[in-house]
Amino acid sequence: DAGVIQSPRHEVTEMGQEVTLRCKPISGHDYLFWYRQTMMRGLELLIYFNNNVPIDDSGMPEDRFSAKMPNASFSTLKIQPSEPRDSAVYFCASSLASRGGGYTFGSGTRLTVV
Amino acid sequence: TQLLEQSPQFLSIQEGENLTVYCNSSSVFSSLQWYRQEPGEGPVLLVTVVTGGEVKKLKRLTFQFGDARKDSSLHITAAQPGDTGLYLCAGNTPLVFGKGTRLSVIA
Repeated sequence: DAGVIQSPRHEVTEMGQEVTLRCKPISGHDYLFWYRQTMMRGLELLIYFNNNVPIDDSGMPEDRFSAKMPNASFSTLKIQPSEPRDSAVYFCASSLASRGGGYTFGSGTRLTVV
Repeated sequence: TQLLEQSPQFLSIQEGENLTVYCNSSSVFSSLQWYRQEPGEGPVLLVTVVTGGEVKKLKRLTFQFGDARKDSSLHITAAQPGDTGLYLCAGNTPLVFGKGTRLSVIA
């Protein structure tokens, strides 16, 4: 298995622009998570899905953030409009509930908003 | 929200030394997980501890879950440069992570 695949690996954008991050989870995994990592705050959960349905989005910082999972093999995290304080590494992870909850993370997208 | 406090925040040691890092909470967890994260990559699961007092070994790494299931420790014997990375503990469902211990092993 290729693991969790995220794209792009790096994104540099100007303040006010729309940013879309993409994630392909491991085939067969029924949970998908979006996390954001910064030095100050560590890894923070933004939103997670079970069987493509959003379960908890209370970690999404503002209405500028939205996430979708149109099918079991694809999810997006969109920021519109982006702001400099959104600069961080965004991780997608997937898991199979029946395997005890260990998460498999992608390599992340490093977002820089200038 | 159940918080996980990790210590120390940073640790720099010489190759061959032993070390212990800690993960503490005021809350009880049904299980805790340890991950290692290398630069430019996502965290990778090392182990899950479930039973209070449980000890698990992974080569030179020894993980312990506190009797009260509120804390955990990771002990590394004879550290090697390949052990360098960010060590994260996590618990709860969905997972909540501590801020990690950044370990640097110098050859």
